[in-house]
Amino acid sequence: DSGVTQTPKHLITATGQRVTLRCSPRSGDLSVYWYQQSLDQGLQFLIQYYNGEERAKGNILERFSAQQFPDLHSELNLSSLELGDSALYFCASSVGPAGATDTQYFGPGTRLTVL
Amino acid sequence: GESVGLHLPTLSVQEGDNSIINCAYSNSASDYFIWYKQESGKGPQFIIDIRSNMDKRQGQRVTVLLNKTVKHLSLQIAATQPGDSAVYFCAENPFSGGYNKLIFGAGTRLAVHP
Repeated sequence: DSGVTQTPKHLITATGQRVTLRCSPRSGDLSVYWYQQSLDQGLQFLIQYYNGEERAKGNILERFSAQQFPDLHSELNLSSLELGDSALYFCASSVGPAGATDTQYFGPGTRLTVL
Repeated sequence: GESVGLHLPTLSVQEGDNSIINCAYSNSASDYFIWYKQESGKGPQFIIDIRSNMDKRQGQRVTVLLNKTVKHLSLQIAATQPGDSAVYFCAENPFSGGYNKLIFGAGTRLAVHP
Protein backbone atom coordinates (compact mmCIF):
# COMPACT_ATOMS: atom_id res chain seq x y z
CA ASP A 1 0.00 0.00 0.00
CA SER A 2 1.61 3.23 -1.21
CA GLY A 3 -0.51 5.50 0.98
CA VAL A 4 -2.05 7.22 -2.05
CA THR A 5 -5.80 6.71 -2.31
CA GLN A 6 -8.02 7.10 -5.34
CA THR A 7 -11.78 6.99 -5.76
CA PRO A 8 -13.74 5.58 -7.37
CA LYS A 9 -12.04 2.34 -8.31
CA HIS A 10 -14.26 1.86 -11.35
CA LEU A 11 -16.34 4.31 -13.35
CA ILE A 12 -18.62 3.53 -16.27
CA THR A 13 -20.21 6.35 -18.17
CA ALA A 14 -21.43 7.38 -21.61
CA THR A 15 -19.90 9.50 -24.33
CA GLY A 16 -20.40 13.20 -23.84
CA GLN A 17 -20.59 12.94 -20.08
CA ARG A 18 -18.36 14.48 -17.42
CA VAL A 19 -16.69 12.67 -14.53
CA THR A 20 -14.51 13.58 -11.59
CA LEU A 21 -11.70 11.40 -10.26
CA ARG A 22 -10.38 12.00 -6.78
CA CYS A 23 -6.95 11.47 -5.24
CA SER A 24 -5.55 11.86 -1.75
CA PRO A 25 -1.75 11.98 -1.56
CA ARG A 26 0.46 10.29 1.01
CA SER A 27 0.65 12.07 4.33
CA GLY A 28 3.26 14.81 4.05
CA ASP A 29 3.40 14.86 0.26
CA LEU A 30 2.70 18.21 -1.37
CA SER A 31 2.86 17.22 -5.04
CA VAL A 32 0.18 15.32 -6.91
CA TYR A 33 0.59 13.96 -10.43
CA TRP A 34 -2.00 12.52 -12.79
CA TYR A 35 -1.21 9.86 -15.40
CA GLN A 36 -3.27 8.08 -18.03
CA GLN A 37 -2.62 4.47 -19.00
CA SER A 38 -4.39 3.02 -22.03
CA LEU A 39 -4.37 -0.69 -22.91
CA ASP A 40 -1.89 -0.23 -25.72
CA GLN A 41 0.16 2.59 -24.26
CA GLY A 42 2.40 3.15 -21.34
CA LEU A 43 1.90 5.68 -18.63
CA GLN A 44 1.41 9.18 -19.98
CA PHE A 45 1.97 12.14 -17.71
CA LEU A 46 -0.98 14.54 -17.67
CA ILE A 47 -0.43 17.22 -15.05
CA GLN A 48 1.27 18.03 -11.74
CA TYR A 49 0.14 20.19 -8.85
CA TYR A 50 2.29 21.33 -5.98
CA ASN A 51 0.74 22.79 -2.84
CA GLY A 52 -2.34 23.92 -4.71
CA GLU A 53 -0.61 25.37 -7.76
CA GLU A 54 -0.25 23.87 -11.21
CA ARG A 55 3.39 22.94 -11.64
CA ALA A 56 3.79 21.10 -14.93
CA LYS A 57 1.65 20.01 -17.83
CA GLY A 58 2.05 17.02 -20.06
CA ASN A 59 -0.20 15.49 -22.69
CA ILE A 60 -3.44 16.68 -21.16
CA LEU A 61 -6.39 17.40 -23.41
CA GLU A 62 -8.25 20.69 -23.15
CA ARG A 63 -11.36 18.69 -22.17
CA PHE A 64 -9.50 17.59 -19.04
CA SER A 65 -8.72 19.76 -16.05
CA ALA A 66 -7.45 19.28 -12.56
CA GLN A 67 -7.09 21.09 -9.30
CA GLN A 68 -5.52 20.60 -5.90
CA PHE A 69 -7.38 21.75 -2.83
CA PRO A 70 -6.08 23.29 0.42
CA ASP A 71 -6.19 19.89 2.10
CA LEU A 72 -3.92 18.70 -0.76
CA HIS A 73 -6.35 16.22 -2.28
CA SER A 74 -6.71 16.56 -6.03
CA GLU A 75 -9.47 16.05 -8.55
CA LEU A 76 -9.18 15.31 -12.25
CA ASN A 77 -12.18 16.41 -14.27
CA LEU A 78 -12.83 14.77 -17.63
CA SER A 79 -15.56 16.29 -19.80
CA SER A 80 -17.17 15.63 -23.18
CA LEU A 81 -15.98 12.08 -22.82
CA GLU A 82 -15.08 10.04 -25.88
CA LEU A 83 -14.63 6.32 -26.32
CA GLY A 84 -10.88 6.85 -26.52
CA ASP A 85 -10.80 8.29 -23.01
CA SER A 86 -11.38 4.81 -21.62
CA ALA A 87 -8.24 4.07 -19.64
CA LEU A 88 -6.71 3.67 -16.23
CA TYR A 89 -6.06 6.97 -14.51
CA PHE A 90 -3.40 7.02 -11.85
CA CYS A 91 -2.54 9.59 -9.29
CA ALA A 92 0.93 9.76 -7.76
CA SER A 93 2.34 11.91 -5.02
CA SER A 94 5.76 13.05 -3.90
CA VAL A 95 7.19 15.22 -1.20
CA GLY A 96 8.52 18.15 -3.14
CA PRO A 97 7.77 20.19 -6.22
CA ALA A 98 10.54 19.24 -8.55
CA GLY A 99 13.43 17.47 -6.95
CA ALA A 100 15.24 15.36 -9.47
CA THR A 101 15.19 12.39 -7.13
CA ASP A 102 11.78 13.05 -5.67
CA THR A 103 10.19 9.61 -5.82
CA GLN A 104 6.63 9.40 -7.01
CA TYR A 105 4.35 6.89 -5.30
CA PHE A 106 1.30 5.72 -7.19
CA GLY A 107 -2.26 5.07 -6.12
CA PRO A 108 -4.31 2.03 -7.17
CA GLY A 109 -5.92 3.87 -10.07
CA THR A 110 -9.42 4.52 -11.39
CA ARG A 111 -10.59 2.48 -14.34
CA LEU A 112 -12.76 4.62 -16.61
CA THR A 113 -14.94 2.96 -19.21
CA VAL A 114 -16.75 5.19 -21.70
CA LEU A 115 -19.58 3.44 -23.55
CA GLY B 1 -7.94 -7.58 -13.36
CA GLU B 2 -7.57 -6.33 -16.89
CA SER B 3 -4.13 -6.75 -18.37
CA VAL B 4 -2.05 -3.71 -19.06
CA GLY B 5 -0.27 -3.60 -22.38
CA LEU B 6 -1.58 -6.77 -24.02
CA HIS B 7 1.19 -6.69 -26.61
CA LEU B 8 4.14 -6.05 -24.35
CA PRO B 9 7.35 -8.01 -24.78
CA THR B 10 7.37 -10.92 -22.37
CA LEU B 11 10.25 -12.42 -20.47
CA SER B 12 9.55 -15.96 -19.28
CA VAL B 13 11.74 -17.42 -16.55
CA GLN B 14 11.77 -20.40 -14.26
CA GLU B 15 11.27 -19.88 -10.57
CA GLY B 16 14.64 -19.53 -8.90
CA ASP B 17 16.43 -18.24 -11.99
CA ASN B 18 17.75 -14.72 -12.31
CA SER B 19 15.86 -12.26 -14.52
CA ILE B 20 17.23 -9.36 -16.50
CA ILE B 21 14.85 -6.74 -17.86
CA ASN B 22 16.27 -4.15 -20.22
CA CYS B 23 15.24 -0.62 -21.07
CA ALA B 24 16.53 2.00 -23.49
CA TYR B 25 15.89 5.56 -22.47
CA SER B 26 15.59 8.52 -24.75
CA ASN B 27 17.03 11.64 -23.17
CA SER B 28 20.77 11.89 -22.63
CA ALA B 29 20.10 14.73 -20.17
CA SER B 30 18.07 12.50 -17.84
CA ASP B 31 19.71 12.24 -14.47
CA TYR B 32 17.35 10.05 -12.48
CA PHE B 33 15.92 6.66 -13.34
CA ILE B 34 13.37 4.48 -11.63
CA TRP B 35 12.02 0.97 -12.03
CA TYR B 36 8.37 0.34 -11.24
CA LYS B 37 6.50 -2.95 -10.95
CA GLN B 38 2.84 -3.12 -11.89
CA GLU B 39 0.76 -6.12 -10.97
CA SER B 40 -2.56 -6.78 -12.62
CA GLY B 41 -5.22 -4.40 -11.36
CA LYS B 42 -2.81 -2.33 -9.30
CA GLY B 43 -0.85 0.88 -9.58
CA PRO B 44 2.88 1.02 -10.32
CA GLN B 45 4.99 0.17 -7.29
CA PHE B 46 8.41 1.73 -6.77
CA ILE B 47 11.21 -0.86 -6.83
CA ILE B 48 14.55 0.89 -7.07
CA ASP B 49 16.09 4.07 -8.43
CA ILE B 50 19.49 5.28 -9.56
CA ARG B 51 21.06 8.65 -10.25
CA SER B 52 23.15 9.34 -13.31
CA ASN B 53 26.34 9.68 -11.24
CA MET B 54 26.13 5.95 -10.45
CA ASP B 55 26.33 2.92 -12.71
CA LYS B 56 25.03 0.31 -10.29
CA ARG B 57 22.75 0.20 -7.29
CA GLN B 58 21.58 -2.79 -5.31
CA GLY B 59 18.48 -3.42 -3.31
CA GLN B 60 16.92 -6.50 -1.84
CA ARG B 61 17.16 -9.14 -4.61
CA VAL B 62 17.25 -6.38 -7.23
CA THR B 63 20.09 -4.56 -8.95
CA VAL B 64 19.83 -1.70 -11.39
CA LEU B 65 22.60 -1.06 -13.90
CA LEU B 66 22.96 2.18 -15.82
CA ASN B 67 25.01 2.60 -18.98
CA LYS B 68 24.88 6.26 -19.96
CA THR B 69 27.07 5.75 -23.00
CA VAL B 70 24.39 3.76 -24.77
CA LYS B 71 21.44 5.11 -22.78
CA HIS B 72 20.57 1.71 -21.37
CA LEU B 73 19.10 0.65 -18.07
CA SER B 74 18.61 -2.86 -16.77
CA LEU B 75 16.90 -4.44 -13.80
CA GLN B 76 18.25 -7.70 -12.45
CA ILE B 77 16.08 -9.79 -10.16
CA ALA B 78 17.84 -12.57 -8.28
CA ALA B 79 16.15 -15.88 -7.53
CA THR B 80 12.93 -14.88 -9.28
CA GLN B 81 9.74 -15.86 -7.48
CA PRO B 82 6.15 -16.27 -8.69
CA GLY B 83 5.29 -13.05 -6.87
CA ASP B 84 7.65 -11.22 -9.20
CA SER B 85 5.29 -11.84 -12.12
CA ALA B 86 4.18 -8.39 -13.26
CA VAL B 87 4.81 -5.69 -15.84
CA TYR B 88 8.01 -3.76 -15.21
CA PHE B 89 8.44 -0.17 -16.35
CA CYS B 90 11.55 1.92 -16.43
CA ALA B 91 11.11 5.67 -16.08
CA GLU B 92 13.48 8.55 -16.66
CA ASN B 93 13.36 12.03 -15.23
CA PRO B 94 14.95 14.55 -17.58
CA PHE B 95 14.23 17.17 -14.93
CA SER B 96 14.02 19.71 -17.69
CA GLY B 97 12.94 23.18 -16.66
CA GLY B 98 12.91 22.11 -13.05
CA TYR B 99 9.89 19.86 -13.50
CA ASN B 100 9.54 16.39 -12.06
CA LYS B 101 7.98 14.71 -15.10
CA LEU B 102 8.57 11.03 -15.49
CA ILE B 103 8.81 9.52 -18.95
CA PHE B 104 7.88 5.86 -18.85
CA GLY B 105 9.06 3.10 -21.13
CA ALA B 106 6.61 0.74 -22.77
CA GLY B 107 7.09 -1.98 -20.17
CA THR B 108 8.11 -5.63 -20.11
CA ARG B 109 5.95 -8.43 -18.82
CA LEU B 110 7.77 -10.90 -16.56
CA ALA B 111 6.20 -14.34 -16.36
CA VAL B 112 7.61 -16.67 -13.71
CA HIS B 113 6.93 -20.38 -14.15
CA PRO B 114 7.16 -22.94 -11.34
